[in-house]
Amino acid sequence: ETGVTQTPRHLVMGMTNKKSLKCEQHLGHNAMYWYKQSAKKPLELMFVYSLEERVENNSVPSRFSPECPNSSHLFLHLHTLQPEDSALYLCASSQVYQAGGVDTQYFGPGTRLTVL
Amino acid sequence: GQNIDQPTEMTATEGAIVQINCTYQTSGFNGLFWYQQHAGEAPTFLSYNVLDGLEEKGRFSSFLSRSKGYSYLLLKELQMKDSASYLCAVRGFQKLVFGTGTRLLVSP
Repeated sequence: ETGVTQTPRHLVMGMTNKKSLKCEQHLGHNAMYWYKQSAKKPLELMFVYSLEERVENNSVPSRFSPECPNSSHLFLHLHTLQPEDSALYLCASSQVYQAGGVDTQYFGPGTRLTVL
Repeated sequence: GQNIDQPTEMTATEGAIVQINCTYQTSGFNGLFWYQQHAGEAPTFLSYNVLDGLEEKGRFSSFLSRSKGYSYLLLKELQMKDSASYLCAVRGFQKLVFGTGTRLLVSP
């Protein structure tokens, strides 16, 4: 058990749909992350919530909207997605220290998203 | 800029030794991670290097040379279950930058 869970594991949606991905971590960490993993590409960091602040990757389109109500839960709201957004979306968590640096990131199993 | 290079694919035989190389050029460096990812599963942590030298953990070892921007993951006594992708990631403050991963195929 990784300590980081994600639902749903698989999602198929049309371009006009609105859906949300959910992530929950049971490790007591204070930072959570969304990554996108496309075929033959590196893991791409989309969003970070760390020490109650949100850090974004400015290249992420606005059709992806994160929400982090508390340190254990993270959502990724999706709307009017494009077929090229089809990918594996991974959530991760870690412990971040005020003095700087970050501990190992632990990943959830991912949500396989297909946009038709 | 940030750039991490790994070979795309490697093949090896069960029981053999394989070395997966990673070279990096990053604007900040606070350590290097290796992750293993089986198809359809989450990446799992293998090793972490922040100082130069070799870190050994069972059949897996990881080496780092900060002056050369170079790391390798060494897998000994290969098993079929070691067939997976191996991701090299360099750590900056609050952020990991990943390479594309090396797909390792272990054959009988």
